[in-house]
Amino acid sequence: DGGITQSPKYLFRKEGQNVTLSCEQNLNHDAMYWYRQDPGQGLRLIYYSQIVNDFQKGDIAEGYSVSREKKESFPLTVTSAQKNPTAFYLCASSPSDREVGYTFGSGTRLTVV
Amino acid sequence: RKEVEQDPGPFNVPEGATVAFNCTYSNSASQSFFWYRQDCRKEPKLLMSVYSSGNEDGRFTAQLNRASQYISLLIRDSKLSDSATYLCVVNVGSYIPTFGRGTSLIVHP
Repeated sequence: DGGITQSPKYLFRKEGQNVTLSCEQNLNHDAMYWYRQDPGQGLRLIYYSQIVNDFQKGDIAEGYSVSREKKESFPLTVTSAQKNPTAFYLCASSPSDREVGYTFGSGTRLTVV
Repeated sequence: RKEVEQDPGPFNVPEGATVAFNCTYSNSASQSFFWYRQDCRKEPKLLMSVYSSGNEDGRFTAQLNRASQYISLLIRDSKLSDSATYLCVVNVGSYIPTFGRGTSLIVHP
């Protein structure tokens, strides 16, 4: 079955450490997105990519970086510059047909220890 | 004014009740609309798209009012399993969806 796979499900980061969250989709979707969700809050856009080798900053890109070397993959790196990284991170994808909606991965819970 | 606004609730209703949520959007150029459901500590899942003519899926009915710039979700005969947060999503002709912060629904026995 097609879908989006995020890994790991839980991740613990030490102060000053960079960590990378994986997002892989086999839906042949063109666009991919990274969101952050804090408890009781809505989804905030970190980065998005509409095509391979191209991506744009979202509303809260500071302290994060991404790459889109393959259509299927859109990894997110949380750098040490992100001062408050503890959150639920969600990856999503969508096809060119914007009437279809967005498919989410099951998320990664990142905690700073 | 926020681009997409929802009443956070919670809406606390008994089983079997009918409940309705609204979601207002500010950009009149918005083109496509969706309702998502998010369970606690889970990812959002598409509940239904919202079409100009309105659409129904079982106990769920979604409607779009372009003149007043809002979409609605009606849930009939509420079940305990309907308890969740309902997010509205609006596209403004780009790949970038705008999410509302969600409306919490609690269905009690």
